[in-house]
Amino acid sequence: GAVVSQHPSRVICKSGTSVKIECRSLDFQATTMFWYRQFPKKSLMLMATSNEGSKATYEQGVEKDKFLINHASLTLSTLTVTSAHPEDSSFYICSAREPLMPTILGETQYFGPGTRLLVL
Amino acid sequence: GDSVTQMEGPVTLSEEAFLTINCTYTATGYPSLFWYVQYPGEGLQLLLKATKADDKGSNKGFEATYRKETTSFHLEKGSVQVSDSAVYFCALSVHNDMRFGAGTRLTVKP
Repeated sequence: GAVVSQHPSRVICKSGTSVKIECRSLDFQATTMFWYRQFPKKSLMLMATSNEGSKATYEQGVEKDKFLINHASLTLSTLTVTSAHPEDSSFYICSAREPLMPTILGETQYFGPGTRLLVL
Repeated sequence: GDSVTQMEGPVTLSEEAFLTINCTYTATGYPSLFWYVQYPGEGLQLLLKATKADDKGSNKGFEATYRKETTSFHLEKGSVQVSDSAVYFCALSVHNDMRFGAGTRLTVKP
């Protein structure tokens, strides 16, 4: 089946630094990727939708300048947390949609294993 | 807005016990409904889905029926195994946007 990878799986950084998280679709081309954030014991929250070659669409309440998303190719999207602070500590999950699969909504999303960010 | 509410965990069961994880939803449109499972250290995997009222999704012994009248999509399994230990997420999708429940951690003991 389709595989999505994320790198790194875990990152610890100092407050004020920037952190880049990569999301790759390994065996298919993903025109659309999604970035989610998961708080402890909370739902996955959609942060933004990333479309290859165009600007990401951010959900209400998500700071565009804080969470920079770049979808430069059909297999790679990156999320950069700029000037990270302790409140940005969370579990970030990406997913990728394979456009050639059946169009039942949601079924074609494949999820990465997630990246745990800890900001000290 | 669209949302999903699922029962809080954690849920701890003995092997071969019956499992029910409740899930209800609120949606402005006509959603598709999903259950995803997340095993330790892995990404979310689609477990089953239903796209219209009265549809029953099933996979690996798990079942869920799309109940429009009660806006529910409860997950059931007749006899759980230790290998079913994971976090289960109920989700809906309307207009390509997915909304997830908080997740329910299931632990099955031998």
